[in-house]
Amino acid sequence: GDSVTQMEGPVTLSEEAFLTINCTYTATGYPSLFWYVQYPGEGLQLLLKATKADDKGSNKGFEATYRKETTSFHLEKGSVQVSDSAVYFCALVNSGGSNYKLTFGKGTLLTVNP
Amino acid sequence: DAMVIQNPRYQVTQFGKPVTLSCSQTLNHNVMYWYQQKSSQAPKLLFHYYDKDFNNEADTPDNFQSRRPNTSFCFLDIRSPGLGDAAMYLCATSSDRGSGYEQYFGPGTRLTVT
Repeated sequence: GDSVTQMEGPVTLSEEAFLTINCTYTATGYPSLFWYVQYPGEGLQLLLKATKADDKGSNKGFEATYRKETTSFHLEKGSVQVSDSAVYFCALVNSGGSNYKLTFGKGTLLTVNP
Repeated sequence: DAMVIQNPRYQVTQFGKPVTLSCSQTLNHNVMYWYQQKSSQAPKLLFHYYDKDFNNEADTPDNFQSRRPNTSFCFLDIRSPGLGDAAMYLCATSSDRGSGYEQYFGPGTRLTVT
């Protein structure tokens, strides 16, 4: 079945540091890929998405590129802020299947210190 | 703004006392989901509605049930809450008429069982 493996945390960075959170996937068909962010006590927010190979999703300074050859969708940001502290989930939907269920990675807790 | 709304945000119930959580959406999406999330783990899908069709996950306990009286509303009923049911419950929606099949989440209801 489909699966998502993402870098285990916690990750602790200083403000303005470069962020990478690795994510790789296993799926049949042609999945859509997502990064969701969850701030403490809140629901999940869609951060960015990519629906086909070589697509780059971007939002709020975060970027991720859909790499079919390496089955990866790594999240990057050039300069993190304290307000980026949250849990980040990589996920996929296998639109080639008959359902629309999200498969999540385990999540990565990011803490950014001033 | 179009959104997913969950009420209440915090719910306290007694062991064994039935409780209902509600979700509404203004996105006019045809698919609605209920997730259980514990301790910043990845959300665990309990069930989803594709239009009026109910789809239960194989490992969802019988104690959890759902109703979707119309497109906009969906309810989660926990018939006899146990201490292990204390968690964040997340509602999400998606549409099969767009691209990417991304899900949009509500802010969640934090359930405490005493």
